[in-house]
Amino acid sequence: TQLLEQSPQFLSIQEGENLTVYCNSSSVFSSLQWYRQEPGEGPVLLVTVVTGGEVKKLKRLTFQFGDARKDSSLHITAAQPGDTGLYLCAGLTGNQFYFGTGTSLTVIP
Amino acid sequence: DVKVTQSSRYLVKRTGEKVFLECVQDMDHENMFWYRQDPGLGLRLIYFSYDVKMKEKGDIPEGYSVSREKKERFSLILESASTNQTSMYLCASSLAYLLGGETQYFGPGTRLLVL
Repeated sequence: TQLLEQSPQFLSIQEGENLTVYCNSSSVFSSLQWYRQEPGEGPVLLVTVVTGGEVKKLKRLTFQFGDARKDSSLHITAAQPGDTGLYLCAGLTGNQFYFGTGTSLTVIP
Repeated sequence: DVKVTQSSRYLVKRTGEKVFLECVQDMDHENMFWYRQDPGLGLRLIYFSYDVKMKEKGDIPEGYSVSREKKERFSLILESASTNQTSMYLCASSLAYLLGGETQYFGPGTRLLVL
């Protein structure tokens, strides 16, 4: 089983700060997804990246897929309380997605 | 909007009981999945199905079985619940076979406590 490690596991920051979440593996993935999960809900897809080195922006969120397609990062600029949640990366290999261990983000107003 | 519903949000069962978790999706998706979510471990795939009456084992199928008699419904069965099956169970569906990273749509989850 390919294990995707996310860091940090927990992050608590003030509104307006910037942050980066990392997703690392020793395995190569054909694509990688980021999800956000709010308390009491299931994960919701934010983005899919498929090409090594690819960068995608979604408003204040920037996602990057590593050149070797083994890792990814999520950068949030000027975090807001609405960004609070559990962030999960998921890498596709073969016919199955493998999920990361998760990063729990709290943005304090 | 795609909707994935799960039969219960919270469930309390006793060790040894047979437990049924039901999942229904309303968008005619071919693929359906059952995951369990535990702190620090992320989501782990139990079983998935890409067609009616078809099933494939995921990473942690031991102690679980599944049933897909209709396209829209995917059931997870714990034949004899044990305390180590206390967890959050998430159902998901997707439109097509996961070749290009199609979106998985998740239900709200069932939090199961086995006493």
